[in-house]
Amino acid sequence: EAQVTQNPRYLITVTGKKLTVTCSQNMNHEYMSWYRQDPGLGLRQIYYSMNVEVTDKGDVPEGYKVSRKEKRNFPLILESPSPNQTSLYFCASRMGHLYEQYFGPGTRLTVT
Amino acid sequence: DAKTTQPPSMDCAEGRAANLPCNHSTISGNEYVYWYRQIHSQGPQYIIHGLKNNETNEMASLIITEDRKSSTLILPHATLRDTAVYYCIVRVEADSWGKLQFGAGTQVVVTP
Repeated sequence: EAQVTQNPRYLITVTGKKLTVTCSQNMNHEYMSWYRQDPGLGLRQIYYSMNVEVTDKGDVPEGYKVSRKEKRNFPLILESPSPNQTSLYFCASRMGHLYEQYFGPGTRLTVT
Repeated sequence: DAKTTQPPSMDCAEGRAANLPCNHSTISGNEYVYWYRQIHSQGPQYIIHGLKNNETNEMASLIITEDRKSSTLILPHATLRDTAVYYCIVRVEADSWGKLQFGAGTQVVVTP
């Protein structure tokens, strides 16, 4: 089954404790993105990647890092999480010239 | 990308057609109309897209007015599982890095 998976689905952590949210897709998509969703602000793009070793900032990249060492994986790294990064996070992938994005199930992160 | 306007909410009876309007009066000639939906905190799901012709797939139909300033998503036989927030998005297809600008959307509630 074609899908985007994220882990963990739920995470509660404390300020300053480094964490990684993994994202993996099995569709051989070139393009991958990370979004965060907050009430009243909608979905906002954090980072995106056009291919292996090619990444760039989205609209709200501060406090986040990403890497794309393999085509299928696009982890989101929070080196020093803060409470304002409490949010619902979605990973998405897309084949270069096709239309739709496939979204993962989401990761609900709470930073206390 | 052009801005879209959607009603904040609408109700629909199960088994009836749901007609979701979207205004995009500033749309330009190379911008497509996309529809996604998000079922309570799940990852957004692609529904359909079009440029100027009406489109139909297994999920829905998309009717775009001749001047392209508005469109309607039609769910032909709404079910309770169609309860979701529906997003109308306008974007240039050549935007290959795939950012989607989600607005507030329309909360659709399908009732028995």
